[in-house]
Amino acid sequence: DGGITQSPKYLFRKEGQNVTLSCEQNLNHDAMYWYRQDPGQGLRLIYYSQIVNDFQKGDIAEGYSVSREKKESFPLTVTSAQKNPTAFYLCASSPASGAYNEQFFGPGTRLTVL
Amino acid sequence: AQRVTQPEKLLSVFKGAPVELKCNYSYSGSPELFWYVQYSRQRLQLLLRHISRESIKGFTADLNKGETSFHLKKPFAQEEDSAMYYCALRSKAAGNKLTFGGGTRVLVKP
Repeated sequence: DGGITQSPKYLFRKEGQNVTLSCEQNLNHDAMYWYRQDPGQGLRLIYYSQIVNDFQKGDIAEGYSVSREKKESFPLTVTSAQKNPTAFYLCASSPASGAYNEQFFGPGTRLTVL
Repeated sequence: AQRVTQPEKLLSVFKGAPVELKCNYSYSGSPELFWYVQYSRQRLQLLLRHISRESIKGFTADLNKGETSFHLKKPFAQEEDSAMYYCALRSKAAGNKLTFGGGTRVLVKP
């Protein structure tokens, strides 16, 4: 269950502010992912990274940005351009390849825009 | 584009009754399908994957390519099965990313 940490657990932001969500893993996984979880819509992929210093947009990347400067860290910035940022954000990691490269999830960060 | 559909948002069953969660997908390649589960106050975790053809916690799921389905079944539901269940499809062609369905909440009543 451990190995992936997200902080903070709860985050409040005023409209117009950028905010950065932290995701760290000590599983030595190459790939990392950010999802947004909304009721009734499941999880939607925001960004993913298969290797350090490289990342790709997911299905709903607009208004978000990421960096992957270290293998163990994949922070997500929610910018003021994101129209509806209030949501539950999940980070995941997995080995880069292999038939059994299961994604392991963090505990999540709940972001509320006031 | 790949898509995963879970038509039921909520399934309510009595303890000991069978439960079946439906999952349909659309994907042009050879699919890899998974079921993930999220118990109350716990992390999302993998329940089972089609490639393993395994039974976990009494649950099984069979991939039916003709009907493009991957329904999750358990013959006798238990109260501890109450959780949120997500069906997911993995695309090797797109960095192993997962596409999730909207989720089905299962409530097992005593």
